[in-house]
Amino acid sequence: EPEVTQTPSHQVTQMGQEVILRCVPISNHLYFYWYRQILGQKVEFLVSFYNNEISEKSEIFDDQFSVERPDGSNFTLKIRSTKLEDSAMYFCASTRISSGETQYFGPGTRLLVL
Amino acid sequence: DAKTTQPTSMDCAEGRAANLPCNHSTISGNEYVYWYRQIHSQGPQYIIHGLKNNETNEMASLIITEDRKSSTLILPHATLRDTAVYYCIVRVGGSNYQLIWGAGTKLIIKP
Repeated sequence: EPEVTQTPSHQVTQMGQEVILRCVPISNHLYFYWYRQILGQKVEFLVSFYNNEISEKSEIFDDQFSVERPDGSNFTLKIRSTKLEDSAMYFCASTRISSGETQYFGPGTRLLVL
Repeated sequence: DAKTTQPTSMDCAEGRAANLPCNHSTISGNEYVYWYRQIHSQGPQYIIHGLKNNETNEMASLIITEDRKSSTLILPHATLRDTAVYYCIVRVGGSNYQLIWGAGTKLIIKP
């Protein structure tokens, strides 16, 4: 069964450094999402992406964040200058083009900013 | 904010049916109810969703009240591996929608 994959599974970085989190959505999916979950807290929406542009973003998704689909398979989340409070699990999700389709999630990347 | 309320935690004996309630009294007519679960801090796993009618798949059944103000997720024969946090979510938006998560119900399956 097709699934969303994410790399790396864990990332440790120093405050102020740039990180890129990678996702490979399910192959025939065209809507992509990033969510995050700070330890012990709720899952929070960050951004949605379709047709090579951001469709919607939350207040969390400030200028330090960017997303990109650099090729036909990868979908990336970049944090330009990480802060301690960026430490969280980051989940990628994808859906097919049809409205009402279910979002399927990847296993997540655990980011720790020191 | 999430449009749903769920109990914080529930226990269920292994082999029995687990019934997880969810209230969504402000749901609109075209909004779906989705259920996901999260085991430890793994990626959320889709379980089932519905609009008006009851739904069943290989994992669970979803019972939606006629007024759509509440629903129940039923795991018919719970196993220890079903221990997880279960999220009831009202899907907001059209084809490009975001999921707004609440705190969910921590379901513990006991041997």
